[in-house]
Amino acid sequence: GQQLNQSPQSMFIQEGEDVSMNCTSSSIFNTWLWYKQDPGEGPVLLIALYKAGELTSNGRLTAQFGITRKDSFLNISASIPSDVGIYFCAGQLSGNKLVFGAGTILRVKS
Amino acid sequence: EAEVAQSPRYKITEKSQAVAFWCDPISGHATLYWYRQILGQGPELLVQFQDESVVDDSQLPKDRFSAERLKGVDSTLKIQPAELGDSAMYLCASSLSDSVTGELFFGEGSRLTVL
Repeated sequence: GQQLNQSPQSMFIQEGEDVSMNCTSSSIFNTWLWYKQDPGEGPVLLIALYKAGELTSNGRLTAQFGITRKDSFLNISASIPSDVGIYFCAGQLSGNKLVFGAGTILRVKS
Repeated sequence: EAEVAQSPRYKITEKSQAVAFWCDPISGHATLYWYRQILGQGPELLVQFQDESVVDDSQLPKDRFSAERLKGVDSTLKIQPAELGDSAMYLCASSLSDSVTGELFFGEGSRLTVL
């Protein structure tokens, strides 16, 4: 089945630093999404990308849909303590079915 | 703000017992999903409903898992009998049936521990 390779697995950064994480796949996806999950909660959508090459921002978050449609990255600028959590990429297959990566754990030192 | 409601939040059971989880999607959302998330992994789709019909249950272990959405609104996921490997977070999500955006809205999840 489809697999998404998400990296890094975890990051421990200083408050104020920028963060970058990415997701790659051997399959082509029509839509890429980035979700954040806080401990004990369900994932919350951060950014959705619909076109190859698309670059989208949401506040301090910026994400890009790779030209090959097989990858995506998420950047967080000027990290703050509440950015702590697990970030998941997801690729959309037909019928709105999502395939998720294994997640990137982000920890922020204040 | 509209939310996906799930219950119970936590369930501890012994193996071979039956468990059930309930989900009420956002009003007006015709598509409902059940995902399973094992600790340290991303969510994996178990079953997808469009209204009351199952559109994808290819990853649902049908020997012990069942799901229904009889009136096309709320849904129940059942496990009988539960096994140790079923310990996980069970997430319900919903989306507009005509959405092409992939924007799924997740509930807070039901965490199952099987002893």
